[in-house]
Amino acid sequence: GQSLEQPSEVTAVEGAIVQINCTYQTSGFYGLSWYQQHDGGAPTFLSYNALDGLEETGRFSSFLSRSDSYGYLLLQELQMKDSASYFCAVRLNSGNTPLVFGKGTRLSVIA
Amino acid sequence: KAGVTQTPRYLIKTRGQQVTLSCSPISGHRSVSWYQQTPGQGLQFLFEYFSETQRNKGNFPGRFSGRQFSNSRSEMNVSTLELGDSALYLCASSPRGEPTGELFFGEGSRLTVL
Repeated sequence: GQSLEQPSEVTAVEGAIVQINCTYQTSGFYGLSWYQQHDGGAPTFLSYNALDGLEETGRFSSFLSRSDSYGYLLLQELQMKDSASYFCAVRLNSGNTPLVFGKGTRLSVIA
Repeated sequence: KAGVTQTPRYLIKTRGQQVTLSCSPISGHRSVSWYQQTPGQGLQFLFEYFSETQRNKGNFPGRFSGRQFSNSRSEMNVSTLELGDSALYLCASSPRGEPTGELFFGEGSRLTVL
């Protein structure tokens, strides 16, 4: 089976940096994606890593280590609006296979 | 450009009934995926359609079915509803099943089974 592990909850202070980890054990691996979902809202795409290394998009960065089957999402200069659930997702093979999602990490940003 | 539209947004059914949910993807998107989301379980993959063909299917019982029309709109049906089917059902579209893993989600249909 496919397994993606991420912490269920994380709390961080406004203005700080937080890292949300994701480890995966899957039958294949094509790339790792991250999604954000606010309460009552639709999941929205944040980032994608297919190769090892860091991808930066504004305040958000995502990292992948294929050899360690591990990735993380880094959120800098946290804002209250970043309070949401964050999901990692693995594409197992080529574009013809579905995304497999982790159970999500609920991030609470406090003042 | 309009986003992914799902109808109805909320519905309540009783055990044993059936339900049909509808999804209109972003214009030009040919791939539609369906996911079930329940508290603490993340998003569970149901099925994916591409050009009217079911390309992938998740590990759900046969009570869950779907289809895609020639205009890429998709429907999913759940028959003989059970209490455990209460969930948020999310539809996502992409141009052709992007290897980047970028899906565009609708806001979902929240189903409550009593």
